[in-house]
Amino acid sequence: DIQMTQSPSTLSASVGDRVTITCRASQSISSWLAWYQQKPGKAPKLLIYKVSSLESGVPSRFSGSGAGTEFTLTISSLQPDDFGTYYCQQYNSWTFGQGTKVEVK
Amino acid sequence: EVQLVESGGGLVQPGRSLRLSCAASGFTLDNYAMHWVRQAPGKGLEWVSGISWDSGRIGYADSVKGRFTISRDNANNSLHLQMNSLRLEDTAVYYCAKADGYIEAFDYWGQGTLVTVSS
Repeated sequence: DIQMTQSPSTLSASVGDRVTITCRASQSISSWLAWYQQKPGKAPKLLIYKVSSLESGVPSRFSGSGAGTEFTLTISSLQPDDFGTYYCQQYNSWTFGQGTKVEVK
Repeated sequence: EVQLVESGGGLVQPGRSLRLSCAASGFTLDNYAMHWVRQAPGKGLEWVSGISWDSGRIGYADSVKGRFTISRDNANNSLHLQMNSLRLEDTAVYYCAKADGYIEAFDYWGQGTLVTVSS
C-alpha cells in the first residue's frame, strides 16, 4: 500500500503569509496527486488535481508542484477564508495524507 | 448544480448491518466513478470503497474488505454501501464523492452521514 505523509501536522500563520505544505509518497505515484481543503463540519473541497491543475473556481493563490514522491501545496498569500485542514491524496489507490491544520498565528 | 445527498446513517450495535445511500442530482451518474470516504471523529480522511461507471472495477480498503459492499443504480442515480459486521472502529461520518474517472480526484462530495457503532 502507498503511504502518504504530510508535514507539518499543524501550521500557524498570519493573513498575507506564504504557506507551504509538503506531501511525501512511499513510492512513486506519477501525477495522481490531489489536494483538498476541509473546514470544520464540512465536506472536503477539491483544490488541485494532477499535481498542479487548479480546480475550477479555486483562487489562483493556490498552487501545486512536485513529481514522483514529493509534492507541495503553496498558498501565496494566506487569506482569512484559507484557515482549515488540508489533505493530499494519491488517487492511484486513493490514500490520503494525515492532514495539515492551518491555524491563526 | 451537482448535488450528492447521503442517507442511512445512525446508531447501530457492533456486529449488525447498515446500508448507506447517496442520491445524485444535477448530473448523470452513469458517466462517472463514485467513491465512499469516511472520517472518524476528530480524525483524518480514509478512503473506503470506489466503483467505476459501469461497476466493472470495484475497490475496497483493507479495513472493510469482506464486510462492506459498494453498488450503484445508474437508472435511479444512486450509490449504495452495504456495511455488515460493523465494528466500533467503523464509527465515522461517511461521505460519497464523485470522480470523472476511476483513477481521478474527487471533484464533488456530499455533506456526509454519521454512522455510530456502539453497544
